[in-house]
Amino acid sequence: EVQLVESGGGLVRPGGSLRLSCAVSGTTFSRWSMHWFRQAPGKGLEWVSFIRSTSDHINYADSLRGRFTVSRDNAKSSLYLQMDSLSAEDTAVYFCARDAVEMAAKPYYFDYWGQGTLVTVSS
Amino acid sequence: DIQMTQSPSSLPASVGGRVTITCQASQDINNRLSWYQLRPGKAPKLLIYDASTLMTGVPSRFSGRGSGTDFTFTISSLQPEDIATYYCQQYDNLPVSFGGGTKVEIE
Repeated sequence: EVQLVESGGGLVRPGGSLRLSCAVSGTTFSRWSMHWFRQAPGKGLEWVSFIRSTSDHINYADSLRGRFTVSRDNAKSSLYLQMDSLSAEDTAVYFCARDAVEMAAKPYYFDYWGQGTLVTVSS
Repeated sequence: DIQMTQSPSSLPASVGGRVTITCQASQDINNRLSWYQLRPGKAPKLLIYDASTLMTGVPSRFSGRGSGTDFTFTISSLQPEDIATYYCQQYDNLPVSFGGGTKVEIE
């Protein structure tokens, strides 16, 4: 059974940083591209970032203005999201998800998701 | 960027009733459209991709159709466990984008 478990969320002050992790099991992690999404309170889903299985293709939502950095460690079957210069607008549940297309070089659709981790940016 | 307009935003329905959600793209997305189910505290679930292909294990009461810019998602006979918010998503162009969501509630 494929499982994705996010961690690292919590309360952070404006301007602060946080690093999210996504532990993946039940699949050959190195063969699948991965994504981060978020859902702000009362809002819809927003795509955040994509990283190809081999880490040679990375994309971000324009709204992030270079503040977030996605990475992965295939040996540890883990995905990461480094978030810097956080503001209240970044408050959201953050989800990781697997791209459904093996070795995808760009985002397609997403067949396995975690349950999310809540990030709250507040003073 | 491609804008996805989803309607309605909320939809009261009866158990056993038919539910239809529409999703319109701001340009032709070549049928690169998927549908997801979100329930509070649970992982989002992929239901349909390529506009009309049912994900393995998803009940046949869920269906999708459409082409070009106009798409629909239907639950033929609403079950209590289908109470959720549903989102369409296009993957024809970066950035991938979602509709605003439709919250399906019991009438």
